[in-house]
Amino acid sequence: AQSVTQLDSHVSVSEGTPVLLRCNYSSSYSPSLFWYVQHPNKGLQLLLKYTSAATLVKGINGFEAEFKKSETSFHLTKPSAHMSDAAEYFCVVSESYGQNFVFGPGTRLSVLP
Amino acid sequence: EPEVTQTPSHQVTQMGQEVILRCVPISNHLYFYWYRQILGQKVEFLVSFYNNEISEKSEIFDDQFSVERPDGSNFTLKIRSTKLEDSAMYFCASSDMGGLNTEAFFGQGTRLTVV
Repeated sequence: AQSVTQLDSHVSVSEGTPVLLRCNYSSSYSPSLFWYVQHPNKGLQLLLKYTSAATLVKGINGFEAEFKKSETSFHLTKPSAHMSDAAEYFCVVSESYGQNFVFGPGTRLSVLP
Repeated sequence: EPEVTQTPSHQVTQMGQEVILRCVPISNHLYFYWYRQILGQKVEFLVSFYNNEISEKSEIFDDQFSVERPDGSNFTLKIRSTKLEDSAMYFCASSDMGGLNTEAFFGQGTRLTVV
């Protein structure tokens, strides 16, 4: 069965500095991996997805993530944080057709001026 | 751009009452899901639905819950007798290939408050 760990419940960065949100997964198969963002009182928006093509995945708003099978990781990065990036970020894994999407506990990103 | 729509955005109900949360998935999608997020907690899987039947459900999805696709476009979640602990944001989602190589598209959620 798949599971997701997000090591940091809260990350705080200054505007203009890099962002790193960590995600590790456990899966019996070759998974698909996703990052979703949830702004306050909003729904869940897809940032990017890994689906066994390129290991470095680029998403919206300047975010990217690298799939490292040897480390079972899929960390989310952005070179320069913007105030509008403040939100909750969820790492999500899915193993196969018909499987549900398993969410990590989430990381709250704060961006300081 | 196609999107998943959920109604209502907010529902308040008395404990013990039945509620129906409604969702319109993206039209060519085949897999449908309900998730919930209790305030301040993680997003939890409730149930997935494919080919007009439940394909997977979590321990949370007990006999008080049911899902239905009554008319080929709507996808509903019914809670028969609500409890205080059912208060949460409920998200509907749909996907075309059920999780492998494709993402789930989520609605904006229905905030259910049980009083």
